[in-house]
Amino acid sequence: DAGVTQSPTHLIKTRGQQVTLRCSPKSGHDTVSWYQQALGQGPQFIFQYYEEEERQRGNFPDRFSGHQFPNYSSELNVNALLLGDSALYLCASSLRAGRTEAFFGQGTRLTVV
Amino acid sequence: GESVGLHLPTLSVQEGDNSIINCAYSNSASDYFIWYKQESGKGPQFIIDIRSNMDKRQGQRVTVLLNKTVKHLSLQIAATQPGDSAVYFCAVSGDSWGKLQFGAGTQVVVTP
Repeated sequence: DAGVTQSPTHLIKTRGQQVTLRCSPKSGHDTVSWYQQALGQGPQFIFQYYEEEERQRGNFPDRFSGHQFPNYSSELNVNALLLGDSALYLCASSLRAGRTEAFFGQGTRLTVV
Repeated sequence: GESVGLHLPTLSVQEGDNSIINCAYSNSASDYFIWYKQESGKGPQFIIDIRSNMDKRQGQRVTVLLNKTVKHLSLQIAATQPGDSAVYFCAVSGDSWGKLQFGAGTQVVVTP
């Protein structure tokens, strides 16, 4: 049973560019959340998707957007990249109905230069 | 708003000793608490969770204690091993969707 998978694992982008990160949830999970983790800090909640709709959003600008597909996979899009967007982006999946524990992927390390 | 804090940024422990990692939270509506372990270059790994209707839960070599009165939880690791070296995060949730608020993390260093 595959856990949460994220792609790509690393990427480098230039300021002002746009990036799309992808996440496949753990089998059986229907809810996907995205977190940003700056170096040396705890993960910060970006947003959460359930039934293809954004259900909650953290304190992140509109440059951060997302999508959830019918197969529960999800994308995180960031427009107009800033140097400060450099971080580890984590995807977590869970089962909404039972409010079970969230399982994390290995993350995507984004570097903005 | 919610704030989650850890009491020590780094904990150095000798192999075989017990480790205790502490976490304080501020929102009394928090009802679900998780401890994660994160090794370098990896995503957080679920260790153990506890809900607000409990004050203690045990797993394999780990115990989580919850004190709702003072809004404090702790993670105890028995017989700490080199493989336990990592950053440990507490995460707190207080809403129906399970949004997690993380602390800054405690680096556990196991010395021989």
